[in-house]
Amino acid sequence: AQKVTQAQTEISVVEKEDVTLDCVYETRDTTYYLFWYKQPPSGELVFLIRRNSFDEQNEISGRYSWNFQKSTSSFNFTITASQVVDSAVYFCALTLGSGGSNYKLTFGKGTLLTVNP
Amino acid sequence: GAGVSQTPSNKVTEKGKYVELRCDPISGHTALYWYRQSLGQGPEFLIYFQGTGAADDSGLPNDRFFAVRPEGSVSTLKIQRTERGDSAVYLCASSSDWGGTQYFGPGTRLTVL
Repeated sequence: AQKVTQAQTEISVVEKEDVTLDCVYETRDTTYYLFWYKQPPSGELVFLIRRNSFDEQNEISGRYSWNFQKSTSSFNFTITASQVVDSAVYFCALTLGSGGSNYKLTFGKGTLLTVNP
Repeated sequence: GAGVSQTPSNKVTEKGKYVELRCDPISGHTALYWYRQSLGQGPEFLIYFQGTGAADDSGLPNDRFFAVRPEGSVSTLKIQRTERGDSAVYLCASSSDWGGTQYFGPGTRLTVL
């Protein structure tokens, strides 16, 4: 079975600080996909990124960047120069890639990020 | 274009009652998923449809829960004889195909008194 661990339950930073959210995953499959979703106070899950297990290139999108390391089974998310609007719960998730029911998402418990002005 | 929509946004019911929660996926998306999110937890998978058929219902907690998608678009999650432990946010997601990125709706907050 798959498992996603987000060890940081809550993080609080001051605006403009950089912050990294950790995600560690477990799976025996060689083909899988990793995701990050943002859940602001409004409650709706917002898709941020999807990465497949064969692509270990780091990705940057504006102030967001992701570091995927298969050697440590980690897929960490960094927000540079954080802003108050980044305050939300962030979820890391995993699906398998071999078809059918494997596409259900397995989520971590989430990290509550609070960015203070 | 329109995203995933869910109705109602809030549902309060009494223990023992029957409820239906509706999900309208993104137009053209063939895959539809239901998840349940309890307070302070990540969403947990309930059931997945590809077209009209349930491809995987392994996450449904018991036989009081049932979901349908008769025409391959809108889906309804049905809960019979509700219990207080069913209180949660029920999330629906859709994707363009198997394995596609899942886009979520705003959820239905169910409260069983």
